[in-house]
Amino acid sequence: KNQVEQSPQSLIILEGKNCTLQCNYTVSPFSNLRWYKQDTGRGPVSLTIMTFSENTKSNGRYTATLDADTKQSSLHITASQLSDSASYICVVSFYGNNRLAFGKGNQVVVIP
Amino acid sequence: EAQVTQNPRYLITVTGKKLTVTCSQNMNHEYMSWYRQDPGLGLRQIYYSMNVEVTDKGDVPEGYKVSRKEKRNFPLILESPSPNQTSLYFCASSLQGASNQPQHFGDGTRLSIL
Repeated sequence: KNQVEQSPQSLIILEGKNCTLQCNYTVSPFSNLRWYKQDTGRGPVSLTIMTFSENTKSNGRYTATLDADTKQSSLHITASQLSDSASYICVVSFYGNNRLAFGKGNQVVVIP
Repeated sequence: EAQVTQNPRYLITVTGKKLTVTCSQNMNHEYMSWYRQDPGLGLRQIYYSMNVEVTDKGDVPEGYKVSRKEKRNFPLILESPSPNQTSLYFCASSLQGASNQPQHFGDGTRLSIL
C-alpha cells in the first residue's frame, strides 16, 4: 500500500480561481514533507519543504500546510494561472535514513 | 547555471542491447539518485548514491546497475534491457542525503525498449 496518497487525482480549474490539493501519509518516523511541481516534459521542481514543527509555508501563490498529528498536508494555489497547469507531487521523507515515499501526483489543468 | 543534465533525452532501442544513460550535476552535490516514472505509479527510486563509490538499492533496482566513480557523474546502466523497462527516467541530486534537502531533478530520459 502506498504510504502517500494524494487527492484529487486530477482537476480542472478556471484561470484566476483557487484550488487545494490534498496529501495524506502514513510514513513513520516522519522527517519532512515536500511538494514538487512537475511541468509536462520536465523534471519535478521543489516548491516547499516542511518539517514536523512547521504548520505552513508559502512560495509565492503556493501555500502548503502540514498537520503532523493527522498526517495530512495540503497545497493551496491562489489566483491560478495557466502556467500552474502541472502535476503536483507530495514527497515524505523518513527520519533517520534517506528513504523517500512519493505520492502519485495531482494533475492540475488551468483553463482560460 | 546549476543543473542536472541527462543524456540522451530520448532513446528507442531493442531488447538485450546494453545502454547507458548519463547523469551529471554541477552543484558539487554528494547525493544522487535515479528514478523511473510510470503512468499510475508515480516516481519510484531505482538506485541512489550517498557519495563517491557509495551506492545502494532503491525500491526497484532489478535490471539496473549504477556506478559513482566521480562526484558529478552517476550513470544508469541497463545491461540487457527488456520491454518492461520502457519508462521515463529521472536523475536527481541534493547537497547531502535525500531527507533534509530538496532534490534537483534533470529533465528526464524517455526510454523505449522494443
